[in-house]
Amino acid sequence: ELKVEQNPLFLSMQEGKNYTIYCNYSTTSDRLYWYRQDPGKSLESLFVLLSNGAVKQEGRLMASLDTKARLSTLHITAAVHDLSATYFCAVDQRSQGNLIFGKGTKLSVKP
Amino acid sequence: GAGVSQSPSNKVTEKGKDVELRCDPISGHTALYWYRQSLGQGLEFLIYFQGNSAPDKSGLPSDRFSAERTGGSVSTLTIQRTQQEDSAVYLCASSPTPWGRNGYTFGSGTRLTVV
Repeated sequence: ELKVEQNPLFLSMQEGKNYTIYCNYSTTSDRLYWYRQDPGKSLESLFVLLSNGAVKQEGRLMASLDTKARLSTLHITAAVHDLSATYFCAVDQRSQGNLIFGKGTKLSVKP
Repeated sequence: GAGVSQSPSNKVTEKGKDVELRCDPISGHTALYWYRQSLGQGLEFLIYFQGNSAPDKSGLPSDRFSAERTGGSVSTLTIQRTQQEDSAVYLCASSPTPWGRNGYTFGSGTRLTVV
């Protein structure tokens, strides 16, 4: 059974600081997704990582995937308040076609 | 349409009543998924439709839950004899290809409250 673990689950940062959110998963998969969710809102797609070594960047966020280590990271550079949200990673169960989500990391960026 | 559309956005129902939740996926997307999000359980997969194939119902929590997809487009999730533990946000997602090779787009969800 595929399990996806994120850490930390809660992250309080100061503006301007850097930090990394980690996503570990338990079985082989080469597709990993990062989503952002604002309170009361749906899931917004951030990154789709489709192969080992994939790295994608958008603004202050950068995501990477190491399929051998079964690890993805979401790195935040020089955080700003607007990045405050909950971030989820999700892994594709290739044989079944559905996503398994981590519990999410609630990020709070304080001025 | 431009995005995945779900209705209603909020639904309050009495325990024991049946409810129907609707999802209208992005036009042309062959794959459609239902998930639910609750405080205790996080985001859980419920059911997956791919084209005309038989749906993958492996995530449905009980036989009170069922879903259908008509004409390869609109889907309805039905919960019979609702219970308080069914209270959650039900999210629908669609994908242009099987296995989400091109990612998944989520709708805004239906917040279901069972009182």
